[in-house]
Amino acid sequence: AQSVAQPEDQVNVAEGNPLTVKCTYSVSGNPYLFWYVQYPNRGLQFLLKYITGDNLVKGSYGFEAEFNKSQTSFHLKKPSALVSDSALYFCAVRTPNDYKLSFGAGTTVTVRA
Amino acid sequence: DVKVTQSSRYLVKRTGEKVFLECVQDMDHENMFWYRQDPGLGLRLIYFSYDVKMKEKGDIPEGYSVSREKKERFSLILESASTNQTSMYLCASSPPADRVRTEAFFGQGTRLTVV
Repeated sequence: AQSVAQPEDQVNVAEGNPLTVKCTYSVSGNPYLFWYVQYPNRGLQFLLKYITGDNLVKGSYGFEAEFNKSQTSFHLKKPSALVSDSALYFCAVRTPNDYKLSFGAGTTVTVRA
Repeated sequence: DVKVTQSSRYLVKRTGEKVFLECVQDMDHENMFWYRQDPGLGLRLIYFSYDVKMKEKGDIPEGYSVSREKKERFSLILESASTNQTSMYLCASSPPADRVRTEAFFGQGTRLTVV
């Protein structure tokens, strides 16, 4: 079985400060890891993914994430948050030959001006 | 860009009604999914389909069925809507699991209220 944990329901940061959204996963075998963002009353938008290779992956809107196999983590980061980054963020995992994505419960990010 | 389109943004239905949620994708993806999103629970998989006329149950299939008669279209059916099916429903599509471009693409969601 595979699962994802997002330990923080909410993250609050001031604009211009670094933003980190935490994600840990559990999977049998090599993980494919994803981050999605959801704005109010909208679907999910893909941000970035880790498949293989460099542990630091870069994605849309200045976001990046670091894959840490020993800690089974895939934390999302942005060096300088914007008010427009306020949204709901989801981490997801699957294995290479499985189509089924497992999602975390989501983390609400609020960036104050 | 991939486009996944859900037929309705908002729906209000009465208890006991048969409800159809439609989803169309334009990228010729083999896989299509229906998820349900509830606060604090993330996304839970209801059903998915890996080919025309093929379907498999996800984590919470009870009270739902699906239909995939054409590759681009995947329908979710609530046979007899109940108030506990009030939720946000998200459709997604993706290429086969072993492809390099592996991410799923989501529709804008349908917020269903059953009264």
